[in-house]
Amino acid sequence: DGGITQSPKYLFRKEGQNVTLSCEQNLNHDAMYWYRQDPGQGLRLIYYSQIVNDFQKGDIAEGYSVSREKKESFPLTVTSAQKNPTAFYLCASSIKGGSVNEQFFGPGTRLTVL
Amino acid sequence: RKEVEQDPGPFNVPEGATVAFNCTYSNSASQSFFWYRQDCRKEPKLLMSVYSSGNEDGRFTAQLNRASQYISLLIRDSKLSDSATYLCVVSTLTFKTIFGAGTRLFVKA
Repeated sequence: DGGITQSPKYLFRKEGQNVTLSCEQNLNHDAMYWYRQDPGQGLRLIYYSQIVNDFQKGDIAEGYSVSREKKESFPLTVTSAQKNPTAFYLCASSIKGGSVNEQFFGPGTRLTVL
Repeated sequence: RKEVEQDPGPFNVPEGATVAFNCTYSNSASQSFFWYRQDCRKEPKLLMSVYSSGNEDGRFTAQLNRASQYISLLIRDSKLSDSATYLCVVSTLTFKTIFGAGTRLFVKA
């Protein structure tokens, strides 16, 4: 079955630790995205990538880093510089970059920093 | 002012009711419009795209009013399974996609 997987579903970390969230897709999509969702707020774009080895900052990139070494994979690292990292993180992909294409979402990772 | 605004609700309606959600957007250059559905603690899933001429998918009807910069979603004959949060999504040609905070719907028996 084609789709997007994110792991783990729940993640707990101590303050000051870096943590990497996994996102893999087998849909052969070119574009991938990372969003953050906080209670009562819309999704906010952290980073996106339209092609392998290229990525761009979204609206709230500070304290985060990404890589896109393979088409299928777009891991997100939440660094200790992120002031308020506890949130629901969603990875998405679309056939191509650009606004007209539907984005498909993974099941998300809930990160709690203690 | 938020770029995409939705009434957060919640909307509490009985089964079989018709319910309408509105969403306003501030960027007149917006080109693509969508409604997504998000169940509690789950990922968003595309419900329908919104076309200029309006479009219908079963019990769901989406409308776009470019002059007034709002889109709407109408759900007829509500089912218990329609209970969810409905996200309004607006995109521009320059690759900027904005998600609204969502409108919560509870359909009760």
